[in-house]
Amino acid sequence: AQTVTQSQPEMSVQEAETVTLSCTYDTSESDYYLFWYKQPPSRQMILVIRQEAYKQQNATENRFSVNFQKAAKSFSLKISDSQLGDAAMYFCAYRSSNYGQNFVFGPGTRLSVLP
Amino acid sequence: GAVVSQHPSRVICKSGTSVKIECRSLDFQATTMFWYRQFPKQSLMLMATSNEGSKATYEQGVEKDKFLINHASLTLSTLTVTSAHPEDSSFYICSARLLTPLEQYFGPGTRLTVT
Repeated sequence: AQTVTQSQPEMSVQEAETVTLSCTYDTSESDYYLFWYKQPPSRQMILVIRQEAYKQQNATENRFSVNFQKAAKSFSLKISDSQLGDAAMYFCAYRSSNYGQNFVFGPGTRLSVLP
Repeated sequence: GAVVSQHPSRVICKSGTSVKIECRSLDFQATTMFWYRQFPKQSLMLMATSNEGSKATYEQGVEKDKFLINHASLTLSTLTVTSAHPEDSSFYICSARLLTPLEQYFGPGTRLTVT
């Protein structure tokens, strides 16, 4: 079974600075998808960024980018120019390319943004 | 993106009673919906997968007779917690999937408190 690990339960960053959240996963599959979700205090899950494993190029979405290292099974999230609104729980998630499979979520990292 | 709603957003019920939570895909048809449970300061744990017109598939350790799932239409899935107990108090989140593994949208969640 696949597992997702986030080794940083809590992180903090100064406003306008850059922070990197770590995620590692374990799988025997070669084709899969990886995601970062944000869960603010409202508890609504918000998709931040996603990466298809077959793509070598790292995904980027505005201030958010990932460092996808397939061989190392690592998928870190970099947030640039951090804003107060970025404060939230961040979950790394794995999803098999098998249509019948669902997300496997990591335990989450709580990010605080300091003014 | 597509919108998924949940109703109610909060519910308080007495121990021993049943409570129903609705999950609707508002602007798309979802052949598959998922139900998650999230305890405080923890990650999302998949409870069951609900396919329209067929029986739900429950994850190991989830009591199917206690958590009744019905997916009667392509836009509505319901989760009924029967004979609720205080330990069932949690945050319940549904998600709905379109045709591809990348297209999955989360509802805003329902906070259940059993007294």
